[in-house]
Amino acid sequence: AAGVIQSPRHLIKEKRETATLKCYPIPRHDTVYWYQQGPGQDPQFLISFYEKMQSDKGSIPDRFSAQQFSDYHSELNMSSLELGDSALYFCASRRTGVNTGELFFGEGSRLTVL
Amino acid sequence: KQEVTQIPAALSVPEGENLVLNCSFTDSAIYNLQWFRQDPGKGLTSLLLIQSSQREQTSGRLNASLDKSSGRSTLYIAASQPGDSATYLCAVIETWGKLQFGAGTQVVVTP
Repeated sequence: AAGVIQSPRHLIKEKRETATLKCYPIPRHDTVYWYQQGPGQDPQFLISFYEKMQSDKGSIPDRFSAQQFSDYHSELNMSSLELGDSALYFCASRRTGVNTGELFFGEGSRLTVL
Repeated sequence: KQEVTQIPAALSVPEGENLVLNCSFTDSAIYNLQWFRQDPGKGLTSLLLIQSSQREQTSGRLNASLDKSSGRSTLYIAASQPGDSATYLCAVIETWGKLQFGAGTQVVVTP
């Protein structure tokens, strides 16, 4: 079965650079979530999209922006990168209207800021 | 604000013993609760999802219970194996499907 696809899997950037992470949800899933997991921490919710509209916002820095496209894939854009942005970034998707509401996660994109 | 707590933070057991992992949450108005497994540096693998109307879910050696009124969920893993060594995270599902995670329980199963 198709899973949530994230790219790139690994990314190394310098401080003040820009990075873009991509997420391709499971087919027919209309909602996408982004999470950030720092070293030794639990995942923290950043932002979510439903039907290409932002549905909820968490602790996402103003330097970050995201959007969901017509094919339901999503991109997380991070600018003016800081050392503290080094983390594992997860994307998750779900299909609304399904009773369980279960979220399915991708393998994550590991960002290292030097 | 919802707070999710997992106790213990770490657990080491010999192979064959049963594992009991606890998760508590402060706001009982949850949609669902989901248990995940995470290997070091890897992604989140969904283990079990319990809907708010359910009291337990089972999958193979795994059984998860949910008591909304007391704000607790417990994950039982029967007859543990070294391959069960990982961090186990519980997460409550709130509005719009957003997950609030606990800090996890790091499990080591020794041969």
